[in-house]
Amino acid sequence: EPEVTQTPSHQVTQMGQEVILRCVPISNHLYFYWYRQILGQKVEFLVSFYNNEISEKSEIFDDQFSVERPDGSNFTLKIRSTKLEDSAMYFCASRFTGTPGNTIYFGEGSWLTVV
Amino acid sequence: SQELEQSPQSLIVQEGKNLTINCTSSKTLYGLYWYKQKYGEGLIFLMMLQKGGEEKSHEKITAKLDEKKQQSSLHITASQPSHAGIYLCGAGIRSGGSNYKLTFGKGTLLTVNP
Repeated sequence: EPEVTQTPSHQVTQMGQEVILRCVPISNHLYFYWYRQILGQKVEFLVSFYNNEISEKSEIFDDQFSVERPDGSNFTLKIRSTKLEDSAMYFCASRFTGTPGNTIYFGEGSWLTVV
Repeated sequence: SQELEQSPQSLIVQEGKNLTINCTSSKTLYGLYWYKQKYGEGLIFLMMLQKGGEEKSHEKITAKLDEKKQQSSLHITASQPSHAGIYLCGAGIRSGGSNYKLTFGKGTLLTVNP
């Protein structure tokens, strides 16, 4: 079964450092997402991406965050200058089309710990 | 904003018992998704419901959507230790154009004792 793959699975970084989380969405999917889950809290929407641009972003997704699809297969989330409160599990997700009935598939997540 | 309330927050059952988890939305549901999450791992898609009165089953898990009540239930029959984990409901939200995202409840932690 096709799956969304994410790397790295775990990353520890120093406060102020830049971090790039990588995702390979399912190959024929067109919509891509990043979500975040702080330990013990809800899974929260960060950003959606379609047709090589951000289609929607939450208030969490400030100027420290950026997303990119550098080639035909990867989708990345960059945190420019990490803060302690960025420590969380980051999930990439993808979806085939814009039709609400399509399933959104999530990756295994990337644990980010900022120290 | 749309809020999803899951109940119970946690549940401990003996292997072989049936159980039900509920998810209630503050607004009309345009798609209700159920995922399972093992602690510290990814979200595994279980089922998606769209139409009022819709019911879907996969192995021993059945989910129903009562659109009038803005509620969905997930029922597990004859629970097994492999069913243990966190069950999340997610509501599809349309926000203009083709924008569509999920908002999640806090989850229900299920423990199944052998």
